[in-house]
Amino acid sequence: DAGITQSPRHKVTETGTPVTLRCHQTENHRYMYWYRQDPGHGLRLIHYSYGVKDTDKGEVSDGYSVSRSKTEDFLLTLESATSSQTSVYFCAISALGPRDYGYTFGSGTRLTVV
Amino acid sequence: EDQVTQSPEALRLQEGESSSLNCSYTVSGLRGLFWYRQDPGKGPEFLFTLYSAGEEKEKERLKATLTKKESFLHITAPKPEDSATYLCAVQASSGSARQLTFGSGTQLTVLP
Repeated sequence: DAGITQSPRHKVTETGTPVTLRCHQTENHRYMYWYRQDPGHGLRLIHYSYGVKDTDKGEVSDGYSVSRSKTEDFLLTLESATSSQTSVYFCAISALGPRDYGYTFGSGTRLTVV
Repeated sequence: EDQVTQSPEALRLQEGESSSLNCSYTVSGLRGLFWYRQDPGKGPEFLFTLYSAGEEKEKERLKATLTKKESFLHITAPKPEDSATYLCAVQASSGSARQLTFGSGTQLTVLP
């Protein structure tokens, strides 16, 4: 999607290994979010950021950490991947919050933990 | 706890057959209700934001309405290209701002 890219698009990793997913934006938006999407659960918020070095936990933050050292980059790290973290991960950005603008989502990262 | 329930889970329509998707919600003060469209293998795409009961918004064949307990996405004379999963989300006015709580979606298939 224009203005926001996620990498990698697909990843297979082994249980217990660390994994980092990257979200990069060129819109200079203040707010960035990481969601996971699973069948039957919809999109669930993992962590979000409201500025450089300002982050907070979402609904399903256990086992995940994030960092935002630059406005344009928001990293999601799985310190020790587990099979329950197999999912599709979406990054989203927002200017002043979703009012009238909605979120802009990336294309997602499909992560498989074996 | 904010909750969003969408129904039906899946809907198959013939081209031109109008219908509605439902989004029921409970939230501690509604700041906004959002509709998104998601195509397979892609991220959700923003459609509408509704802020207060009675509000309506339209975009091509789609019309979203809002009451105090639910929102409807009406699809008039759908075409096969309207096939997608439609997601509803709410943002509460209390607590941490900005994040959205999503429903599980309605998968719409429009047959030619």
